[in-house]
Amino acid sequence: QKEVEQNSGPLSVPEGAIASLNCTYSDRGSQSFFWYRQYSGKSPELIMFIYSNGDKEDGRFTAQLNKASQYVSLLIRDSQPSDSATYLCAVSFMDSNYQLIWGAGTKLIIKP
Amino acid sequence: DAGVIQSPRHEVTEMGQEVTLRCKPISGHNSLFWYRQTMMRGLELLIYFNNNVPIDDSGMPEDRFSAKMPNASFSTLKIQPSEPRDSAVYFCASSQSLTGVEQETQYFGPGTRLLVL
Repeated sequence: QKEVEQNSGPLSVPEGAIASLNCTYSDRGSQSFFWYRQYSGKSPELIMFIYSNGDKEDGRFTAQLNKASQYVSLLIRDSQPSDSATYLCAVSFMDSNYQLIWGAGTKLIIKP
Repeated sequence: DAGVIQSPRHEVTEMGQEVTLRCKPISGHNSLFWYRQTMMRGLELLIYFNNNVPIDDSGMPEDRFSAKMPNASFSTLKIQPSEPRDSAVYFCASSQSLTGVEQETQYFGPGTRLLVL
């Protein structure tokens, strides 16, 4: 059973602090890992993807992947109120034929 | 690029009526996905097409749901007859057919908010 787990939150973080969002997955045949952001009433939009162990940085966002621990995280530095949204983790697996398995999402609230 | 286009953006209908949702994927994208999102169940994959061919429809809830992709630039999701429990946001997403992670990166349309009374 392929599963992707996220804490539903809400996760409350003060403005300017680092927000840390976590995602675990249950199958070792995983390939690529995606973080999407979804504002209330809007569609999911891609933030970044990662497929190699280690860190990948894009502006204020850093994705961290640890395949041995089956763990991927998203760090948001200098959090802004505009970062308040639900963050979805998605994982592709070797036999998933281009499909993504989605977590339930973590609601992030940045408090001014 | 116009992105994924969906219509209608909102649909209110009565139980028993037929509902047709439409999607135009990003030009050049060969894979198309239909999702349903509710507060209770999150984002659920309904059906997935590759090169206009349905690959996996195991997520289609029941025979009332059907989907077609007659060409590379158009897909429909039909619910007949509709029921109140079908009320949800329906998203269409598309991805490219390139090697590696680009093949898996999905881009979403704005969604259709369906309310069945």
